[in-house]
Amino acid sequence: GAVVSQHPSWVICKSGTSVKIECRSLDFQATTMFWYRQFPKQSLMLMATSNEGSKATYEQGVEKDKFLINHASLTLSTLTVTSAHPEDSSFYICSAGTGWRGYTFGSGTRLTVV
Amino acid sequence: SQQGEEDPQALSIQEGENATMNCSYKTSINNLQWYRQNSGRGLVHLILIRSNEREKHSGRLRVTLDTSKKSSSLLITASRAADTASYFCATGPNSKLTFGKGITLSVRP
Repeated sequence: GAVVSQHPSWVICKSGTSVKIECRSLDFQATTMFWYRQFPKQSLMLMATSNEGSKATYEQGVEKDKFLINHASLTLSTLTVTSAHPEDSSFYICSAGTGWRGYTFGSGTRLTVV
Repeated sequence: SQQGEEDPQALSIQEGENATMNCSYKTSINNLQWYRQNSGRGLVHLILIRSNEREKHSGRLRVTLDTSKKSSSLLITASRAADTASYFCATGPNSKLTFGKGITLSVRP
């Protein structure tokens, strides 16, 4: 079945630094990947849609300069949290797939900004 | 805004009992999906029910959909401790899933 690998699974960084999270489709090519954010005991909120070879589409209220998304290949999308602050601490989850085979979620990345 | 709203928000049952979770949504849908999330992990797709279906089974899972009431239920029969997790309903195309707040299910051994 479709496997999506997300790395790292957890990261702690200092305020002001940038953190990159990777989302890889291991056994298929993903033309589209999605990035979600989840606060403790809350639902997932879609942040942006990452399209291979083109700019990401951000949801309302999500700062594109804050959350940089790059989808340079059909198997890799990256989310970079720039100049991270404690309020950026959250659980970030990606999903990947194609329209015909559905979408699979990564295992998530716990970001803690101190 | 969130499309799906699950209830109850938390459910605690004894192993072997059945667990029923409900989800209500606001707008018309083509399908509704249920996902499971273990603590601190990603989501696992459980089941998808289309708008023209009323009931669907998968192993110990049974999902119903009532489009007239804009609601769905997820029944887990003969629950196990390993079923302890958060469960979310989601609507919308895969290109833009909208999740409910989730139900925390605790199954006591």
